[in-house]
Amino acid sequence: SQQGEEDPQALSIQEGENATMNCSYKTSINNLQWYRQNSGRGLVHLILIRSNEREKHSGRLRVTLDTSKKSSSLLITASRAADTASYFCATDVNNQGGKLIFGQGTELSVKP
Amino acid sequence: EAEVAQSPRYKITEKSQAVAFWCDPISGHATLYWYRQILGQGPELLVQFQDESVVDDSQLPKDRFSAERLKGVDSTLKIQPAELGDSAMYLCASSTYGLYNEQFFGPGTRLTVL
Repeated sequence: SQQGEEDPQALSIQEGENATMNCSYKTSINNLQWYRQNSGRGLVHLILIRSNEREKHSGRLRVTLDTSKKSSSLLITASRAADTASYFCATDVNNQGGKLIFGQGTELSVKP
Repeated sequence: EAEVAQSPRYKITEKSQAVAFWCDPISGHATLYWYRQILGQGPELLVQFQDESVVDDSQLPKDRFSAERLKGVDSTLKIQPAELGDSAMYLCASSTYGLYNEQFFGPGTRLTVL
């Protein structure tokens, strides 16, 4: 079952613009992670935010977490054509032994 | 840099045939995961191993799917017999054991069942 819901499902922007993706989930979590997947490839871990954290940065990535609203957002600043990929949020649900439940993903297209 | 290895990368088979996928996790990673990803969707966990033991196989269709990790290192996922609806990407991932761990994914095996 898919816990996370992401929106938008698809996003098309110009190079240099910012991209924001949102993720909502249903149950209590240990942490929330964001992954990127280039077409036909495996997933690459981007960033992990713990349930007691509200914001985290990594390079051009900024992730926020609002556990009261059970939602998270991923912001990619100054996007590049190489950022074109699918982005997935994944929740590490309490008492599930590290099992990740992935959302449906946001397909980001960055046009040069 | 250490990577998760998977083979084959692509597999085409006819329905009712048996298929097997292999995964070699990053050395030292105790936890190994098999996911299935249908086109346009997120990965869905099929089975999770801690060393050689299965800790979660609740979403594994046990009538046709089996998975093993005999020595707690590499792992094999088998489908017998394959059905048309099994066409998907099969991803293997590994992680160290702990509360805040990222998972490292292999390149996946793209299965097409004709």
